[in-house]
Amino acid sequence: ETGVTQTPRHLVMGMTNKKSLKCEQHLGHNAMYWYKQSAKKPLELMFVYSLEERVENNSVPSRFSPECPNSSHLFLHLHTLQPEDSALYLCASSRFSGSSGRETQYFGPGTRLLVL
Amino acid sequence: AQSVTQPDIHITVSEGASLELRCNYSYGATPYLFWYVQSPGQGLQLLLKYFSGDTLVQGIKGFEAEFKRSQSSFNLRKPSVHWSDAAEYFCAVDTGRRALTFGSGTRLQVQP
Repeated sequence: ETGVTQTPRHLVMGMTNKKSLKCEQHLGHNAMYWYKQSAKKPLELMFVYSLEERVENNSVPSRFSPECPNSSHLFLHLHTLQPEDSALYLCASSRFSGSSGRETQYFGPGTRLLVL
Repeated sequence: AQSVTQPDIHITVSEGASLELRCNYSYGATPYLFWYVQSPGQGLQLLLKYFSGDTLVQGIKGFEAEFKRSQSSFNLRKPSVHWSDAAEYFCAVDTGRRALTFGSGTRLQVQP
């Protein structure tokens, strides 16, 4: 496989469930991101991991818990979500080069989440 | 704070016609600018980017964009639209804070 993959592609969960979203990148990148895309709002950054350390939280509710065990994998653990959390969750990766180097982010296909 | 404005929520063009999607940004220094395309049910695909140098950048699928500092714009163009170009297009700016700020998107519909 190439690029950025995400599983599952679709997920339906109740408000009391616990589930996890998985992202895997095959690009040799060292930074990974979670974004949320809602129907009525622009894409919102949730989390950034660079060199496997979280560097940006962006004030996301604690019912979302990220995990980055290595530079190729990123998880988003979900628990006690609300219906308004229904959205498309996109993972992205980039190569972080430090200093003032800018990066190009490459996105996965997303997980469409519905919270009932 | 940085922001990106895509003033057109929805655009319809005929197949074969030219296309221009507008993007304006707000940022004090020179931004790094991107255009992404999203087909229904899919993730975002990078079309092109501007980091520095030539202000007219070429991308994939026959798209190009021009950076105009004086107008704070980065408009996307294509001389002849194909039916497969129907999708949503997002302009984004990287201001160096490890995050992209996206516009709200422009949905393109292509008429036969």
